[in-house]
Amino acid sequence: RKEVEQDPGPFNVPEGATVAFNCTYSNSASQSFFWYRQDCRKEPKLLMSVYSSGNEDGRFTAQLNRASQYISLLIRDSKLSDSATYLCVVKRTSGAGSYQLTFGKGTKLSVIP
Amino acid sequence: DTGVSQDPRHKITKRGQNVTFRCDPISEHNRLYWYRQTLGQGPEFLTYFQNEAQLEKSRLLSDRFSAERPKGSFSTLEIQRTEQGDSAMYLCASSLVGQGTYNEQFFGPGTRLTVL
Repeated sequence: RKEVEQDPGPFNVPEGATVAFNCTYSNSASQSFFWYRQDCRKEPKLLMSVYSSGNEDGRFTAQLNRASQYISLLIRDSKLSDSATYLCVVKRTSGAGSYQLTFGKGTKLSVIP
Repeated sequence: DTGVSQDPRHKITKRGQNVTFRCDPISEHNRLYWYRQTLGQGPEFLTYFQNEAQLEKSRLLSDRFSAERPKGSFSTLEIQRTEQGDSAMYLCASSLVGQGTYNEQFFGPGTRLTVL
């Protein structure tokens, strides 16, 4: 089983729509969680960290469910500029492998005019 | 622009040749990471340095791969006897780790390797 699993999509949504991405992780030692955004043929960039209490940054809301080992990202009022691949990322904070980011395959989003 | 630079941006080589990539991290960052990304996949961790010490290597890093960070600043990743399966985007990232800092990893633009 992959350590981080995501639905690859693509998700094709109209402008203004709300879209949600889900991600599951298998290693219960994972302690830090992030969503990265990657535009076509560009490097990944941190979109937001994910906290246990849930957190919001403008139109973006991230949720974490440690019991179910599940992370989500909600995008409200989608913009054309939101079109990208969204990568779910987990990180252990101690022990072997604690310095590396473990990425999912990514979920591709296309926002259509 | 995150400040991490990589050179070259693209490299085409023939199978069996050796290639070397360079990464210049953000200047005050003490950790440097190499990742590899193939089409349709997320980046996969290869190795990382804290200052000049290589502290962790992935099982993906076969004997044909070697990475150095001789003075704790820039890093090189060499692939010997390249194979077609080495074709990928090689991403470098850096972070600042220390008391009171948040160690976000900033990625460079990557080197796209094509092995013919």
